[in-house]
Amino acid sequence: AQTVTQSQPEMSVQEAETVTLSCTYDTSESNYYLFWYKQPPSRQMILVIRQEAYKQQNATENRFSVNFQKAAKSFSLKISDSQLGDTAMYFCAFMKPRGGNKLTFGTGTQLKVEL
Amino acid sequence: DARVTQTPRHKVTEMGQEVTMRCQPILGHNTVFWYRQTMMQGLELLAYFRNRAPLDDSGMPKDRFSAEMPDATLATLKIQPSEPRDSAVYFCASGLATPTVAYGYTFGSGTRLTVV
Repeated sequence: AQTVTQSQPEMSVQEAETVTLSCTYDTSESNYYLFWYKQPPSRQMILVIRQEAYKQQNATENRFSVNFQKAAKSFSLKISDSQLGDTAMYFCAFMKPRGGNKLTFGTGTQLKVEL
Repeated sequence: DARVTQTPRHKVTEMGQEVTMRCQPILGHNTVFWYRQTMMQGLELLAYFRNRAPLDDSGMPKDRFSAEMPDATLATLKIQPSEPRDSAVYFCASGLATPTVAYGYTFGSGTRLTVV
């Protein structure tokens, strides 16, 4: 079974600064997908970014980018120019197409952006 | 933007009562999930459907939980009888997936269930 580990329960960052959230995973699959979801206090789960394992290029979405290290099974999220609206719980998730495409989530990192 | 619609948003019920949560997935999505979120267990997969057929419901307590998709526009999660330990936020998510390609799933706003 796949496992996803987020070792930072809480983090804080000053507005306009850069922060990196860590995620590691364990799998024997070669074809899989990794995601970061954001859950603000409204509790809505919002997809932030998606990475395909067979692509070496790191995914980027505006201020959000990832550092995907396939050999190390590491998938960190970098948020640049942090904004107050980035305050949320961030979940790393793993999915493999074989076996039903179900998402396996980490335990989350609570990020607080401060003035 | 297309949305996954969940109802009700909040539900308070007494122990032993039946609870039904509903989800309208995004039109055209072939996969629907039910997740439960608690502080202690995080996000747990309860059940999911592909093209309306149940693929896996091993995460559900079978004696009290049931999940169905009577048609492509409606997924339901039922708890009967409900217990205080069922108190949680229940999310529905839908997406388009194949055995070789996967896209991110869209989540509904969740149903916060409180069983007293």
